[in-house]
Amino acid sequence: AQSVAQPEDQVNVAEGNPLTVKCTYSVSGNPYLFWYVQYPNRGLQFLLKYITGDNLVKGSYGFEAEFNKSQTSFHLKKPSALVSDSALYFCAVRDYSGAGSYQLTFGKGTKLSVIP
Amino acid sequence: DVKVTQSSRYLVKRTGEKVFLECVQDMDHENMFWYRQDPGLGLRLIYFSYDVKMKEKGDIPEGYSVSREKKERFSLILESASTNQTSMYLCASSWGQTSNQPQHFGDGTRLSIL
Repeated sequence: AQSVAQPEDQVNVAEGNPLTVKCTYSVSGNPYLFWYVQYPNRGLQFLLKYITGDNLVKGSYGFEAEFNKSQTSFHLKKPSALVSDSALYFCAVRDYSGAGSYQLTFGKGTKLSVIP
Repeated sequence: DVKVTQSSRYLVKRTGEKVFLECVQDMDHENMFWYRQDPGLGLRLIYFSYDVKMKEKGDIPEGYSVSREKKERFSLILESASTNQTSMYLCASSWGQTSNQPQHFGDGTRLSIL
């Protein structure tokens, strides 16, 4: 079984400060990991993914995420937060079993508020 | 850009009605998904389809069915709507037979069952 946890329901950060949104996962095999962002009254937008290779993944809008296998974590980061980054962020995982698993498991989401 | 279109942004129906939610994607994606999103629960998978006329149950299929007669269209059906099916419904699609492709989402249908 696969699962993902986002331990913080809400993260507040001042504009211009670095931000981190945390995600930990559990899979039996190797993980495919994704971050999505959701703005009010909109669907989810893909930000970045980790499949294999470099542990630091760069994505859209200046976001990056670091894959840490020993800590089973995939935290989302940005060096300098913008007010427009305020949104709901979802981490998702898929266990790559090699058999074509299509199901993605999402975390419960973290609401990011960037304070001017 | 990939476009996933859900036919209604807001929908109000009555208990016991049969409700159809429609989703169309324009990128020839093989895979399509229906989720419901509830506060504090995140996204939960209802059904998905990896090919025309194929469907697989997700985590919460009870009370729902789906139809995929054409590759670009995936319909979610609430057989007899109940108040506990009031929710935001999100459709998504993805490319290919491998599982490392991101899913692309529509803007959602906010469904209220009275």
